[in-house]
Amino acid sequence: QVQLVQSGSEVQKPGSSVKVSCKASGGTFSNYVISWVRQAPGQGLELMGGIVPVFGTTNYVQKFQDRVTITADESTSTVYLELNSLRSEDTAVYYCARDSHAVVVPQAVGYNWFDPWGQGTLVTVSS
Amino acid sequence: EIVLTQSPGTLSLSPGERATLSCRASQSVSRNYLAWYQQKPGQAPRLLIYGASSRATGIPHRFSGSGSGTDFTLTINRLEPEDVAVYYCQQYGSSPRTFGQGTKVEIK
Repeated sequence: QVQLVQSGSEVQKPGSSVKVSCKASGGTFSNYVISWVRQAPGQGLELMGGIVPVFGTTNYVQKFQDRVTITADESTSTVYLELNSLRSEDTAVYYCARDSHAVVVPQAVGYNWFDPWGQGTLVTVSS
Repeated sequence: EIVLTQSPGTLSLSPGERATLSCRASQSVSRNYLAWYQQKPGQAPRLLIYGASSRATGIPHRFSGSGSGTDFTLTINRLEPEDVAVYYCQQYGSSPRTFGQGTKVEIK
């Protein structure tokens, strides 16, 4: 059963960048969409985008398209989220999540539910 | 994108009671591709229901999902103290996949 383990908490200044990692173990990883979902304090869940590691194809939600880069390293079964030009509103817990089913076409638009999820990474943006 | 509206915002019930949570979509959810997640404080979301009515592995039978088109329901029979959480619906039939804003379930 695949498990997703994320990197630790980060504190960053406004205007800087942050890179969060999500490492898969114990199961298949490369031919699934791995997505990033964020949750601001006391708020709901918001999809940011995803990647299919074996193809390197990505898909970003329009709101984040200009500031987010999602990459993958198949050799270490790790997916990364980089968020640029940080502002206070980016303070949130960032989760990675794997699609329930492998892709059938090489695109990162998944029509599956998310299972499993990583444990979350708190990113605090503060001067 | 499909907007999901959950109601009520907060549900306060006694142990043993039935909880009924609603999720309404702004347009029909393709193939009833709707999931429910449970999120306890300080934890990641956990899958409860997929395909509107199929329970995920290991989920107790007191959790059930129903509905189709634009109206979906999560029912928790015989509420237990461990069910205190925020519950989110998510549609995955259209891109981008979207979540409802959540319903908080409290125990009186």
